[in-house]
Amino acid sequence: EVQLLESGGELVQPGGSLRLSCAVSGFSISSYTMSWVRQAPGKGLEWVSGIYGGSGRTFYADSVKGRFTISKDTSKNTVFLQMNSLRAEDTAVYYCAKDQVPDGIWTFDYWGQGTLVTVSS
Amino acid sequence: DIVMTQSPLSLPVTPGEPASISCRSSQSLYSKGNNYLDWYLQKPGQSPQLLIYLGSTRASGVPDRFSGSGSGTDFTLKISRVEAEDVGVYYCMQPLQTPLTFGGGTKVEIK
Repeated sequence: EVQLLESGGELVQPGGSLRLSCAVSGFSISSYTMSWVRQAPGKGLEWVSGIYGGSGRTFYADSVKGRFTISKDTSKNTVFLQMNSLRAEDTAVYYCAKDQVPDGIWTFDYWGQGTLVTVSS
Repeated sequence: DIVMTQSPLSLPVTPGEPASISCRSSQSLYSKGNNYLDWYLQKPGQSPQLLIYLGSTRASGVPDRFSGSGSGTDFTLKISRVEAEDVGVYYCMQPLQTPLTFGGGTKVEIK
């Protein structure tokens, strides 16, 4: 059974840092593209970042480029999102999502339950 | 970046009646024989779930009352007969190129 479990969300001050984790089971992240998608309170969905399973090539939304870093540990089957220089507008529920096919077409067939990041003083 | 525009913003529906949601992209999503357009549903209090991919292919386990159509820049999600469990916010998304972009969402609620 495929499962994605995010963790690491918490209250952090503006300018601070946070690292989110997405521990997966039921498949290998070495084969599938993984993404982070966020949702600000009462707002819509925003894709944040993605990482290819095979090559590890990374991709970012302009809003987080230079501040966030996506990475993975295949031995732990876990994807990470390192978030630096956090701003109030980064406040959101952050979802981890799995691509439907191996290194495929950025279509997400499984999502985690999300972890809440709050940036506030 | 590709801009995705959905309409309507809100859609009150009567159970048993059909419903339709429109999604437009700022550039063509057609490439290599496929239309790169997905539909997701976020039910209240839940994570999003995949409904339709490549414009018209239902995801595993999705009831056949859901259908996707369209090509290029204009797409439609149709529910042939709305059921109470279909309430939530529907999003279109283009997976053609990064940054991936979502429409603003259409909230479907029961009248």
